[in-house]
Amino acid sequence: NAGVTQTPKFQVLKTGQSMTLQCAQDMNHNSMYWYRQDPGMGLRLIYYSASEGTTDKGEVPNGYNVSRLNKREFSLRLESAAPSQTSVYFCASSDAGGVNSPLHFGNGTRLTVT
Amino acid sequence: AQSVTQLGSHVSVSEGALVLLRCNYSSSVPPYLFWYVQYPNQGLQLLLKYTTGATLVKGINGFEAEFKKSETSFHLTKPSAHMSDAAEYFCAVNDGGYSSASKIIFGSGTRLSIRP
Repeated sequence: NAGVTQTPKFQVLKTGQSMTLQCAQDMNHNSMYWYRQDPGMGLRLIYYSASEGTTDKGEVPNGYNVSRLNKREFSLRLESAAPSQTSVYFCASSDAGGVNSPLHFGNGTRLTVT
Repeated sequence: AQSVTQLGSHVSVSEGALVLLRCNYSSSVPPYLFWYVQYPNQGLQLLLKYTTGATLVKGINGFEAEFKKSETSFHLTKPSAHMSDAAEYFCAVNDGGYSSASKIIFGSGTRLSIRP
């Protein structure tokens, strides 16, 4: 009963370093998403993947890249981390069979860039 | 693009009192609306979702939301607050419209505190 699993849970990077956040879901969902959460700003959509093989930009894509590796996995890469990317990152998935399909979230990755 | 606006970043009520969290949407077509809850150090969980044609939508934990097209609102209510309701609540809308490429956009959130 894992649902959406994110790794790592915590990460500290220095400015300019790169890293990949991993996300996997075991619910056979078609769509996957990456959000960042910052105080007072709610969740902002970084990238999403409506189905395997497709990815699209969300509200705040600059500085990030994504890969939909297969139906289960959707990774988020920071090529050159900046302090402005300090945030909590959430991965989510949904069954895109309907436009009101709810999102299922992982527990988040807390990233600090110094 | 569709969006939602949550009025009040922080709401505090007494235990047993009515909870009212406000959400207004901007849409010229029928919106697909949601309320999510986030407990500390956790991801978000679905509270309820709007179903086309419904006026009152019931969710989990005794919460419900009323859809008012004339006011473009989808406010969340609970008749009697419990201490366990303390959390952050997010209103959200699917900006994908009728497309299967769901693009869920969130409001800025309202933190609910419960006073003993």
